[in-house]
Amino acid sequence: EVHLLESGGGFVQPGGSLRLSCAASRFTFSSYGMSWVRQAPGKGLEWVSKISGGGGSRYYADSVKGRFTISRDNSKNTLYLQMNSLRAEDTAVYYCAKDDSYYFESWGQGTLVTVSS
Amino acid sequence: QSVLTQPPSVSGAPGQRVTISCTGSSSNIGPGYHVHWYQQLPGTAPKLLIYGNTNRPSGVPDRFSGSKSGTSASLAINGLQAEDEADYYCQSYDSSLSGVVFGGGTKLTV
Repeated sequence: EVHLLESGGGFVQPGGSLRLSCAASRFTFSSYGMSWVRQAPGKGLEWVSKISGGGGSRYYADSVKGRFTISRDNSKNTLYLQMNSLRAEDTAVYYCAKDDSYYFESWGQGTLVTVSS
Repeated sequence: QSVLTQPPSVSGAPGQRVTISCTGSSSNIGPGYHVHWYQQLPGTAPKLLIYGNTNRPSGVPDRFSGSKSGTSASLAINGLQAEDEADYYCQSYDSSLSGVVFGGGTKLTV
Protein backbone atom coordinates (compact mmCIF):
# COMPACT_ATOMS: atom_id res chain seq x y z
CA GLU A 1 0.00 0.00 0.00
CA VAL A 2 1.24 3.46 -0.98
CA HIS A 3 2.53 5.55 1.91
CA LEU A 4 2.90 9.33 1.83
CA LEU A 5 4.06 11.37 4.81
CA GLU A 6 4.10 15.16 4.76
CA SER A 7 6.20 17.35 7.03
CA GLY A 8 7.37 20.93 7.31
CA GLY A 9 4.15 22.69 8.17
CA GLY A 10 3.99 25.28 10.88
CA PHE A 11 3.34 28.89 11.80
CA VAL A 12 4.78 31.66 9.62
CA GLN A 13 4.24 35.39 9.30
CA PRO A 14 2.83 36.96 6.14
CA GLY A 15 5.57 37.37 3.56
CA GLY A 16 7.52 34.49 5.02
CA SER A 17 8.63 31.19 3.51
CA LEU A 18 8.20 27.53 4.30
CA ARG A 19 9.24 24.29 2.61
CA LEU A 20 7.03 21.24 2.78
CA SER A 21 8.28 17.71 2.21
CA CYS A 22 6.46 14.52 1.35
CA ALA A 23 8.24 11.21 1.85
CA ALA A 24 6.90 8.48 -0.41
CA SER A 25 7.23 4.72 -0.10
CA ARG A 26 5.86 1.39 -1.33
CA PHE A 27 5.62 2.38 -4.98
CA THR A 28 7.97 3.33 -7.79
CA PHE A 29 8.10 7.03 -6.99
CA SER A 30 9.86 8.18 -10.16
CA SER A 31 7.18 6.63 -12.36
CA TYR A 32 4.38 8.83 -11.13
CA GLY A 33 3.39 12.45 -11.18
CA MET A 34 2.78 13.97 -7.78
CA SER A 35 0.56 16.84 -6.70
CA TRP A 36 -0.05 19.10 -3.74
CA VAL A 37 -3.66 19.78 -2.76
CA ARG A 38 -4.67 22.10 0.06
CA GLN A 39 -7.72 22.61 2.22
CA ALA A 40 -8.31 25.84 4.12
CA PRO A 41 -9.98 25.44 7.52
CA GLY A 42 -13.62 24.50 7.04
CA LYS A 43 -13.33 24.82 3.26
CA GLY A 44 -13.10 22.55 0.24
CA LEU A 45 -10.18 21.07 -1.65
CA GLU A 46 -7.96 23.18 -3.90
CA TRP A 47 -5.32 21.77 -6.24
CA VAL A 48 -2.02 23.65 -5.85
CA SER A 49 0.63 22.13 -8.08
CA LYS A 50 1.76 19.04 -10.01
CA ILE A 51 5.11 17.70 -11.09
CA SER A 52 5.74 14.92 -13.60
CA GLY A 53 7.53 11.72 -12.67
CA GLY A 54 10.86 12.85 -14.05
CA GLY A 55 10.45 16.37 -12.74
CA GLY A 56 10.63 18.01 -16.15
CA SER A 57 7.09 19.34 -16.21
CA ARG A 58 5.53 21.48 -13.50
CA TYR A 59 2.08 23.02 -13.24
CA TYR A 60 0.61 25.52 -10.83
CA ALA A 61 -2.74 26.95 -9.83
CA ASP A 62 -3.02 30.66 -10.63
CA SER A 63 -3.37 31.41 -6.92
CA VAL A 64 0.21 30.27 -6.21
CA LYS A 65 1.99 30.83 -9.52
CA GLY A 66 5.19 32.80 -9.05
CA ARG A 67 5.24 32.21 -5.29
CA PHE A 68 5.36 28.41 -4.90
CA THR A 69 7.81 25.97 -6.47
CA ILE A 70 7.27 22.23 -6.68
CA SER A 71 10.22 19.88 -6.96
CA ARG A 72 11.18 16.29 -6.31
CA ASP A 73 14.24 14.19 -5.53
CA ASN A 74 13.66 10.74 -6.99
CA SER A 75 16.82 9.41 -5.33
CA LYS A 76 15.22 10.18 -1.98
CA ASN A 77 11.61 9.41 -2.95
CA THR A 78 10.66 12.85 -1.72
CA LEU A 79 8.40 15.59 -3.03
CA TYR A 80 8.81 19.23 -2.02
CA LEU A 81 6.83 22.46 -2.08
CA GLN A 82 8.76 25.68 -1.54
CA MET A 83 6.33 28.38 -0.50
CA ASN A 84 7.45 32.01 -0.61
CA SER A 85 5.64 35.32 -0.07
CA LEU A 86 3.05 33.55 2.03
CA ARG A 87 -0.32 35.17 2.59
CA ALA A 88 -3.06 34.63 5.14
CA GLU A 89 -5.15 32.94 2.45
CA ASP A 90 -2.47 30.25 2.09
CA THR A 91 -3.41 28.95 5.54
CA ALA A 92 -4.50 25.37 4.99
CA VAL A 93 -3.75 21.72 5.44
CA TYR A 94 -1.46 20.71 2.59
CA TYR A 95 -1.74 17.17 1.25
CA CYS A 96 0.60 15.46 -1.13
CA ALA A 97 -1.05 13.00 -3.47
CA LYS A 98 0.01 10.39 -5.99
CA ASP A 99 -1.26 11.73 -9.28
CA ASP A 100 -2.57 9.05 -11.65
CA SER A 101 -3.39 11.01 -14.79
CA TYR A 102 -4.95 13.94 -12.98
CA TYR A 103 -6.74 12.03 -10.28
CA PHE A 104 -5.42 11.26 -6.83
CA GLU A 105 -5.23 7.60 -5.93
CA SER A 106 -3.39 8.04 -2.64
CA TRP A 107 -3.07 10.90 -0.17
CA GLY A 108 -0.86 11.71 2.77
CA GLN A 109 -2.28 12.69 6.14
CA GLY A 110 -1.56 16.38 5.55
CA THR A 111 0.49 19.09 7.22
CA LEU A 112 -0.96 22.34 8.54
CA VAL A 113 0.42 25.68 7.41
CA THR A 114 -0.74 28.75 9.32
CA VAL A 115 0.10 32.21 8.01
CA SER A 116 -0.61 34.91 10.54
CA SER A 117 0.94 37.92 12.18
CA GLN B 1 -16.99 29.91 -6.25
CA SER B 2 -15.93 26.46 -7.43
CA VAL B 3 -15.64 25.59 -11.12
CA LEU B 4 -17.63 22.42 -10.49
CA THR B 5 -20.98 22.88 -8.74
CA GLN B 6 -22.22 20.49 -6.06
CA PRO B 7 -25.12 20.81 -3.63
CA PRO B 8 -23.82 21.90 -0.22
CA SER B 9 -25.66 19.13 1.57
CA VAL B 10 -27.76 16.01 1.11
CA SER B 11 -29.31 13.66 3.61
CA GLY B 12 -30.89 10.26 3.77
CA ALA B 13 -32.02 7.59 6.19
CA PRO B 14 -30.09 4.36 6.71
CA GLY B 15 -30.78 1.95 3.87
CA GLN B 16 -31.92 4.63 1.47
CA ARG B 17 -30.27 5.79 -1.78
CA VAL B 18 -28.88 9.27 -2.30
CA THR B 19 -27.29 10.96 -5.27
CA ILE B 20 -24.86 13.86 -5.37
CA SER B 21 -24.66 15.92 -8.53
CA CYS B 22 -21.64 17.68 -10.00
CA THR B 23 -22.20 20.21 -12.77
CA GLY B 24 -19.47 21.65 -14.94
CA SER B 25 -18.90 22.80 -18.49
CA SER B 26 -17.47 21.60 -21.78
CA SER B 27 -13.95 22.49 -20.64
CA ASN B 28 -14.00 20.12 -17.66
CA ILE B 29 -16.81 17.55 -17.63
CA GLY B 30 -17.43 17.62 -21.38
CA PRO B 31 -16.63 14.88 -23.87
CA GLY B 32 -13.20 13.42 -23.33
CA TYR B 33 -12.94 14.49 -19.71
CA HIS B 34 -13.22 12.24 -16.69
CA VAL B 35 -14.82 12.89 -13.33
CA HIS B 36 -13.49 11.48 -10.08
CA TRP B 37 -15.02 11.38 -6.61
CA TYR B 38 -13.53 11.50 -3.14
CA GLN B 39 -14.88 10.80 0.31
CA GLN B 40 -13.52 12.75 3.26
CA LEU B 41 -14.46 11.48 6.69
CA PRO B 42 -14.26 14.04 9.51
CA GLY B 43 -10.68 14.87 10.44
CA THR B 44 -9.11 12.64 7.80
CA ALA B 45 -7.53 12.95 4.37
CA PRO B 46 -9.68 12.49 1.28
CA LYS B 47 -10.01 8.99 -0.13
CA LEU B 48 -10.53 8.13 -3.79
CA LEU B 49 -14.02 6.68 -4.25
CA ILE B 50 -14.63 6.69 -8.01
CA TYR B 51 -12.20 7.35 -10.87
CA GLY B 52 -12.72 7.68 -14.60
CA ASN B 53 -16.44 8.47 -14.16
CA THR B 54 -17.52 4.97 -13.14
CA ASN B 55 -14.61 2.92 -11.77
CA ARG B 56 -14.21 1.88 -8.16
CA PRO B 57 -10.75 1.34 -6.65
CA SER B 58 -10.17 -1.95 -4.94
CA GLY B 59 -11.84 -1.99 -1.53
CA VAL B 60 -14.59 0.51 -2.28
CA PRO B 61 -18.00 -1.13 -1.75
CA ASP B 62 -20.24 -1.52 -4.79
CA ARG B 63 -22.85 0.56 -2.96
CA PHE B 64 -20.97 3.51 -4.46
CA SER B 65 -21.37 4.20 -8.17
CA GLY B 66 -20.59 7.04 -10.53
CA SER B 67 -22.06 8.22 -13.79
CA LYS B 68 -21.57 11.03 -16.26
CA SER B 69 -23.84 12.59 -18.85
CA GLY B 70 -23.04 15.65 -20.90
CA THR B 71 -21.44 18.22 -18.63
CA SER B 72 -22.75 16.70 -15.40
CA ALA B 73 -21.82 13.76 -13.24
CA SER B 74 -23.41 12.00 -10.30
CA LEU B 75 -22.35 9.89 -7.36
CA ALA B 76 -24.93 7.43 -6.09
CA ILE B 77 -24.80 5.72 -2.73
CA ASN B 78 -27.15 2.79 -2.19
CA GLY B 79 -28.03 1.24 1.14
CA LEU B 80 -26.87 4.23 3.18
CA GLN B 81 -24.93 3.44 6.32
CA ALA B 82 -24.04 5.66 9.25
CA GLU B 83 -20.36 5.35 8.32
CA ASP B 84 -21.07 7.05 4.98
CA GLU B 85 -21.56 10.36 6.75
CA ALA B 86 -18.79 12.47 5.24
CA ASP B 87 -17.95 15.20 2.76
CA TYR B 88 -17.89 14.20 -0.90
CA TYR B 89 -15.99 16.01 -3.65
CA CYS B 90 -16.06 15.69 -7.42
CA GLN B 91 -12.94 16.52 -9.43
CA SER B 92 -11.90 16.88 -13.06
CA TYR B 93 -9.33 18.59 -15.24
CA ASP B 94 -10.17 21.94 -16.79
CA SER B 95 -8.59 22.69 -20.15
CA SER B 96 -9.33 26.41 -19.95
CA LEU B 97 -7.57 26.72 -16.60
CA SER B 98 -4.95 24.09 -17.45
CA GLY B 99 -5.35 22.54 -14.05
CA VAL B 100 -7.28 20.27 -11.75
CA VAL B 101 -10.60 21.54 -10.44
CA PHE B 102 -12.76 20.37 -7.55
CA GLY B 103 -16.39 20.82 -6.67
CA GLY B 104 -17.18 22.74 -3.51
CA GLY B 105 -18.04 19.55 -1.66
CA THR B 106 -21.28 18.01 -0.41
CA LYS B 107 -21.89 17.11 3.20
CA LEU B 108 -23.83 13.87 3.51
CA THR B 109 -25.87 13.40 6.66
CA VAL B 110 -27.19 9.94 7.44
